[in-house]
Amino acid sequence: RKEVEQDPGPFNVPEGATVAFNCTYSNSASQSFFWYRQDCRKEPKLLMSVYSSGNEDGRFTAQLNRASQYISLLIRDSKLSDSATYLCVVNIRGGGADGLTFGKGTHLIIQP
Amino acid sequence: DAGITQSPRHKVTETGTPVTLRCHQTENHRYMYWYRQDPGHGLRLIHYSYGVKDTDKGEVSDGYSVSRSKTEDFLLTLESATSSQTSVYFCAISEGARTNEKLFFGSGTQLSVL
Repeated sequence: RKEVEQDPGPFNVPEGATVAFNCTYSNSASQSFFWYRQDCRKEPKLLMSVYSSGNEDGRFTAQLNRASQYISLLIRDSKLSDSATYLCVVNIRGGGADGLTFGKGTHLIIQP
Repeated sequence: DAGITQSPRHKVTETGTPVTLRCHQTENHRYMYWYRQDPGHGLRLIHYSYGVKDTDKGEVSDGYSVSRSKTEDFLLTLESATSSQTSVYFCAISEGARTNEKLFFGSGTQLSVL
C-alpha cells in the first residue's frame, strides 16, 4: 500500500455544487495532516491543516478518520476559482517537516 | 508572501554539466527544503537544512548536494546533470520543523536536462 494515496481525478463539478475527496494514508502513527492547493504551473500553497476534531474554513471542511486512516476535504458552493489540484500531505514519521509525504494530488475542474 | 525567491526560473542544460539552483528567503527562517515534482509522483524531498551549515538528506538525494552558508540562501547543486533530473524544483521554508510543519514554497525552477 502506498504511503499517501489520492484519486487523481479529474473531478468535473458544476459551479455551485459540493464536492468531496479523500486521501488514505498507510502509517497509523501519522500525527499531522494537511491539504495544499496547487494551481497549474504554480507552487503548492497551504489550504488548511486537518485536526482530529475536524475543521472548517469558510466553504472548506477537512475531516480526519483515524480508524480508517483517511482524511477528507469537502468544498461547498464551489467556485470556478476552486479549479486546481489538491494535495494531501501526511507526516508519516510523526514529527518534523522532513517527514512530510505528499500525495500525487486530485485534479478538480469546476465547470460554469 | 513568505519572501522566497528561486533562481533561475527556467534552465535548459546538457547532460553532464553542473547546475546550481538558488533559493533565497528574506524572513530569517531556520528550516529550508528542496523538493522535486514529477508527473506521477508527489513532491519528493531532496535535501533540507535546519540551520547554517546544517543539512540532511531527504528521500531522493542521490545526485544532488546542497549548501547553506547564510541563513537566507540554500543552494542545490547537480554535480553532473542527467536527463532523469529534468523536473520542477521547489524550495520551501517552514517556521519550525518540530513545532510547525507548515511549508511555504517558492515559485519553482523548471529544469530541463537534454
